Amino acid sequence: AQKITQTQPGMFVQEKEAVTLDCTYDTSDQSYGLFWYKQPSSGEMIFLIYQGSYDEQNATEGRYSLNFQKARKSANLVISASQLGDSAMYFCALSPGSNFGNEKLTFGTGTRLTIIP
Amino acid sequence: GAGVSQSPSNKVTEKGKDVELRCDPISGHTALYWYRQSLGQGLEFLIYFQGNSAPDKSGLPSDRFSAERTGGSVSTLTIQRTQQEDSAVYLCASSSGPWGEQFFGPGTRLTVL
Repeated sequence: AQKITQTQPGMFVQEKEAVTLDCTYDTSDQSYGLFWYKQPSSGEMIFLIYQGSYDEQNATEGRYSLNFQKARKSANLVISASQLGDSAMYFCALSPGSNFGNEKLTFGTGTRLTIIP
Repeated sequence: GAGVSQSPSNKVTEKGKDVELRCDPISGHTALYWYRQSLGQGLEFLIYFQGNSAPDKSGLPSDRFSAERTGGSVSTLTIQRTQQEDSAVYLCASSSGPWGEQFFGPGTRLTVL
Protein backbone atom coordinates (compact mmCIF):
# COMPACT_ATOMS: atom_id res chain seq x y z
CA ALA A 1 0.00 0.00 0.00
CA GLN A 2 1.10 3.54 -0.67
CA LYS A 3 0.87 6.33 1.87
CA ILE A 4 1.70 10.03 1.98
CA THR A 5 2.12 11.91 5.25
CA GLN A 6 2.04 15.68 5.55
CA THR A 7 2.52 16.62 9.19
CA GLN A 8 2.01 20.39 8.92
CA PRO A 9 -1.71 21.17 8.78
CA GLY A 10 -1.00 24.91 8.58
CA MET A 11 1.92 27.28 8.19
CA PHE A 12 2.29 31.06 8.35
CA VAL A 13 5.24 32.60 6.54
CA GLN A 14 6.36 36.17 6.04
CA GLU A 15 6.28 37.40 2.46
CA LYS A 16 9.61 37.02 0.60
CA GLU A 17 10.86 34.33 2.95
CA ALA A 18 11.53 30.77 1.82
CA VAL A 19 9.25 28.02 3.06
CA THR A 20 9.61 24.24 3.26
CA LEU A 21 6.54 22.01 3.20
CA ASP A 22 7.18 18.52 4.53
CA CYS A 23 6.17 15.28 2.86
CA THR A 24 7.11 11.72 3.72
CA TYR A 25 5.95 8.68 1.84
CA ASP A 26 5.74 4.94 2.14
CA THR A 27 5.74 2.54 -0.76
CA SER A 28 7.07 -0.90 -1.54
CA ASP A 29 7.47 -0.04 -5.23
CA GLN A 30 10.97 0.36 -6.61
CA SER A 31 9.71 2.76 -9.25
CA TYR A 32 7.44 5.64 -8.30
CA GLY A 33 6.81 9.33 -8.80
CA LEU A 34 6.22 12.21 -6.41
CA PHE A 35 4.08 15.24 -7.19
CA TRP A 36 3.17 18.50 -5.54
CA TYR A 37 -0.10 20.26 -6.31
CA LYS A 38 -1.39 23.66 -5.20
CA GLN A 39 -5.08 24.20 -4.46
CA PRO A 40 -6.09 27.88 -4.09
CA SER A 41 -9.35 28.83 -2.43
CA SER A 42 -11.02 28.65 -5.85
CA GLY A 43 -10.61 24.87 -5.66
CA GLU A 44 -8.70 23.94 -8.79
CA MET A 45 -5.68 21.68 -8.49
CA ILE A 46 -2.54 23.14 -10.04
CA PHE A 47 0.44 20.92 -10.80
CA LEU A 48 3.71 22.37 -9.45
CA ILE A 49 6.54 19.88 -9.69
CA TYR A 50 7.40 16.22 -10.23
CA GLN A 51 10.25 13.93 -9.08
CA GLY A 52 10.82 10.41 -10.34
CA SER A 53 12.30 7.87 -7.98
CA TYR A 54 15.27 7.28 -10.28
CA ASP A 55 15.98 10.97 -10.88
CA GLU A 56 19.34 11.77 -9.34
CA GLN A 57 18.90 15.53 -9.44
CA ASN A 58 16.33 17.35 -7.32
CA ALA A 59 13.55 18.74 -9.49
CA THR A 60 13.22 22.51 -9.88
CA GLU A 61 10.51 24.63 -11.51
CA GLY A 62 11.01 28.35 -11.14
CA ARG A 63 10.62 29.23 -7.45
CA TYR A 64 9.71 25.63 -6.60
CA SER A 65 12.20 22.91 -5.82
CA LEU A 66 11.78 19.44 -4.45
CA ASN A 67 14.19 18.27 -1.77
CA PHE A 68 14.18 14.53 -2.50
CA GLN A 69 15.83 12.31 0.10
CA LYS A 70 15.16 8.78 -1.06
CA ALA A 71 16.72 6.96 1.89
CA ARG A 72 14.57 8.96 4.29
CA LYS A 73 11.53 8.68 2.00
CA SER A 74 10.95 12.39 2.06
CA ALA A 75 10.03 14.78 -0.73
CA ASN A 76 9.79 18.25 0.74
CA LEU A 77 8.65 21.20 -1.36
CA VAL A 78 10.71 24.37 -1.08
CA ILE A 79 9.23 27.68 -2.23
CA SER A 80 11.76 30.47 -2.49
CA ALA A 81 10.90 34.16 -2.10
CA SER A 82 7.29 33.52 -1.12
CA GLN A 83 4.54 35.74 -2.54
CA LEU A 84 1.03 36.56 -1.34
CA GLY A 85 -0.33 34.51 -4.23
CA ASP A 86 1.33 31.41 -2.77
CA SER A 87 -1.32 31.26 -0.05
CA ALA A 88 -3.17 28.00 -0.71
CA MET A 89 -3.44 24.34 0.23
CA TYR A 90 -0.50 22.24 -0.91
CA PHE A 91 -0.77 18.51 -1.52
CA CYS A 92 1.97 15.96 -1.92
CA ALA A 93 1.05 12.90 -4.01
CA LEU A 94 2.59 9.56 -4.94
CA SER A 95 2.16 7.53 -8.11
CA PRO A 96 3.08 3.90 -8.65
CA GLY A 97 5.31 4.47 -11.69
CA SER A 98 8.19 6.74 -12.54
CA ASN A 99 8.82 8.45 -15.89
CA PHE A 100 5.95 10.74 -14.98
CA GLY A 101 3.60 7.79 -14.73
CA ASN A 102 0.31 8.77 -13.20
CA GLU A 103 -2.54 6.36 -12.81
CA LYS A 104 -3.92 6.48 -9.31
CA LEU A 105 -2.28 9.21 -7.33
CA THR A 106 -2.27 8.82 -3.53
CA PHE A 107 -2.57 12.21 -1.86
CA GLY A 108 -1.60 13.49 1.57
CA THR A 109 -3.98 15.53 3.72
CA GLY A 110 -2.36 18.79 2.71
CA THR A 111 -0.73 21.83 4.29
CA ARG A 112 -2.49 25.18 4.34
CA LEU A 113 0.11 27.87 3.65
CA THR A 114 -0.65 31.48 4.50
CA ILE A 115 1.74 34.21 3.39
CA ILE A 116 1.75 37.26 5.66
CA PRO A 117 2.47 40.65 4.07
CA GLY B 1 -12.67 25.69 -23.64
CA ALA B 2 -9.13 24.47 -23.28
CA GLY B 3 -9.41 22.95 -19.82
CA VAL B 4 -11.28 20.14 -18.11
CA SER B 5 -14.88 21.08 -17.41
CA GLN B 6 -17.30 19.55 -14.94
CA SER B 7 -21.01 19.94 -14.41
CA PRO B 8 -22.87 20.79 -12.36
CA SER B 9 -20.60 22.93 -10.20
CA ASN B 10 -22.88 22.35 -7.23
CA LYS B 11 -25.45 19.64 -6.55
CA VAL B 12 -27.70 19.36 -3.54
CA THR B 13 -29.73 16.19 -3.25
CA GLU B 14 -31.74 14.25 -0.75
CA LYS B 15 -30.54 11.05 0.84
CA GLY B 16 -31.53 8.06 -1.27
CA LYS B 17 -31.64 9.88 -4.61
CA ASP B 18 -29.36 9.08 -7.54
CA VAL B 19 -26.98 11.71 -8.95
CA GLU B 20 -24.93 12.00 -12.13
CA LEU B 21 -21.78 14.08 -12.36
CA ARG B 22 -20.26 14.92 -15.72
CA CYS B 23 -16.69 15.48 -16.84
CA ASP B 24 -15.49 16.82 -20.20
CA PRO B 25 -11.75 16.16 -20.49
CA ILE B 26 -9.29 18.12 -22.55
CA SER B 27 -9.71 17.20 -26.20
CA GLY B 28 -7.37 14.40 -27.23
CA HIS B 29 -6.56 13.29 -23.70
CA THR B 30 -6.80 9.53 -23.47
CA ALA B 31 -6.61 9.19 -19.68
CA LEU B 32 -9.38 10.32 -17.34
CA TYR B 33 -9.49 10.12 -13.56
CA TRP B 34 -12.12 10.69 -10.90
CA TYR B 35 -11.17 11.70 -7.36
CA ARG B 36 -13.18 12.62 -4.28
CA GLN B 37 -12.16 15.29 -1.77
CA SER B 38 -13.97 15.28 1.53
CA LEU B 39 -13.91 18.40 3.69
CA GLY B 40 -10.40 19.16 4.92
CA GLN B 41 -8.95 16.05 3.32
CA GLY B 42 -6.71 15.19 0.44
CA LEU B 43 -7.96 13.64 -2.75
CA GLU B 44 -9.09 10.02 -2.82
CA PHE B 45 -8.76 8.10 -6.08
CA LEU B 46 -11.99 6.61 -7.38
CA ILE B 47 -11.58 5.35 -10.96
CA TYR B 48 -9.24 5.65 -13.94
CA PHE B 49 -9.92 5.27 -17.68
CA GLN B 50 -7.11 4.85 -20.19
CA GLY B 51 -8.05 4.69 -23.84
CA ASN B 52 -10.06 1.58 -24.67
CA SER B 53 -8.70 -0.45 -21.77
CA ALA B 54 -10.91 -1.71 -18.99
CA PRO B 55 -11.15 0.99 -16.32
CA ASP B 56 -9.37 0.67 -12.99
CA LYS B 57 -12.28 0.74 -10.52
CA SER B 58 -10.25 -0.17 -7.47
CA GLY B 59 -10.97 3.11 -5.70
CA LEU B 60 -14.76 3.04 -5.88
CA PRO B 61 -15.97 2.92 -2.25
CA SER B 62 -19.10 0.83 -2.84
CA ASP B 63 -21.24 -0.69 -5.58
CA ARG B 64 -23.44 2.41 -5.41
CA PHE B 65 -20.70 4.19 -7.36
CA SER B 66 -20.19 3.62 -11.07
CA ALA B 67 -18.67 5.52 -13.96
CA GLU B 68 -18.61 5.29 -17.69
CA ARG B 69 -16.77 7.01 -20.46
CA THR B 70 -18.50 7.31 -23.80
CA GLY B 71 -16.55 7.49 -27.04
CA GLY B 72 -13.32 7.89 -25.18
CA SER B 73 -14.25 11.42 -24.18
CA VAL B 74 -17.01 12.52 -21.78
CA SER B 75 -17.34 10.65 -18.52
CA THR B 76 -20.25 10.35 -16.11
CA LEU B 77 -19.90 9.36 -12.46
CA THR B 78 -23.15 7.98 -11.04
CA ILE B 79 -23.90 7.62 -7.36
CA GLN B 80 -27.00 5.61 -6.57
CA ARG B 81 -29.02 5.88 -3.36
CA THR B 82 -26.85 8.71 -2.08
CA GLN B 83 -25.82 8.81 1.58
CA GLN B 84 -24.74 11.78 3.68
CA GLU B 85 -21.16 10.47 3.73
CA ASP B 86 -21.09 10.89 -0.06
CA SER B 87 -21.01 14.67 0.45
CA ALA B 88 -17.70 15.87 -0.99
CA VAL B 89 -16.13 17.62 -3.93
CA TYR B 90 -15.76 15.27 -6.89
CA LEU B 91 -12.80 16.17 -9.09
CA CYS B 92 -12.10 14.95 -12.58
CA ALA B 93 -8.68 15.06 -14.24
CA SER B 94 -7.37 14.14 -17.66
CA SER B 95 -3.95 13.55 -19.12
CA SER B 96 -2.46 12.81 -22.52
CA GLY B 97 -1.71 9.29 -21.36
CA PRO B 98 -0.53 7.41 -18.30
CA TRP B 99 2.74 9.27 -18.65
CA GLY B 100 1.32 12.79 -18.68
CA GLU B 101 0.58 15.50 -16.15
CA GLN B 102 -2.95 15.35 -14.80
CA PHE B 103 -5.02 18.47 -15.46
CA PHE B 104 -7.89 18.92 -13.02
CA GLY B 105 -11.35 20.33 -13.51
CA PRO B 106 -13.00 22.75 -11.06
CA GLY B 107 -14.94 19.96 -9.35
CA THR B 108 -18.56 19.31 -8.45
CA ARG B 109 -19.56 20.00 -4.86
CA LEU B 110 -22.11 17.38 -3.83
CA THR B 111 -24.21 17.89 -0.72
CA VAL B 112 -26.48 15.10 0.44
CA LEU B 113 -29.12 16.24 2.92
